[in-house]
Amino acid sequence: KNEVEQSPQNLTAQEGEFITINCSYSVGISALHWLQQHPGGGIVSLFMLSSGKKKHGRLIATINIQEKHSSLHITASHPRDSAVYICAVRGGGSNYKLTFGKGTLLTVNP
Amino acid sequence: NAGVTQTPKFRVLKTGQSMTLLCAQDMNHEYMYWYRQDPGMGLRLIHYSVGEGTTAKGEVPDGYNVSRLKKQNFLLGLESAAPSQTSVYFCASGLDTIGTQYFGPGTRLLVL
Repeated sequence: KNEVEQSPQNLTAQEGEFITINCSYSVGISALHWLQQHPGGGIVSLFMLSSGKKKHGRLIATINIQEKHSSLHITASHPRDSAVYICAVRGGGSNYKLTFGKGTLLTVNP
Repeated sequence: NAGVTQTPKFRVLKTGQSMTLLCAQDMNHEYMYWYRQDPGMGLRLIHYSVGEGTTAKGEVPDGYNVSRLKKQNFLLGLESAAPSQTSVYFCASGLDTIGTQYFGPGTRLLVL
């Protein structure tokens, strides 16, 4: 079973700061997902990565397959970015299932 | 295009009661999943389906049953609810095994 560890568990930032959330996993994967969950809200997929880097607006996700590590960066953070960010990994082969990290609670203060 | 919807949004049950949670998707997805989310834990897979008429056990299937009689619907049943099943339940669907999963808004269940 893949173990997924996220750090930090909680993160408080001031508006405008650069944010980094980390995700490490224990065994090889076919894909890694970053998801966002606002308080009391549903879950939205932000990125799916199998290699390299992806960018969408102020969000950037990177993955290093050799080091079994991914990072989610938020540039010019805003209070509306306050949410739980969840890392999830999918194993290889016919393994349909995602293994989820516990999430990182981000609070961005104005 | 509603995406993934879940019914009901919130429910209170007494221990021993039964209920069914309904998940519906209008994206013609083959794959559907039921997860539970508990404080301090990552989402955990209860059951999943890889197509109409199929179901399979996930990580925490005990106490739950599922059915996928129609491609667009995935039902999660609790035959005899227990306080340990107090949780937020999320349904998700996906087009294939490796792509994005689309989540419903969640159902908050409290078992007294």
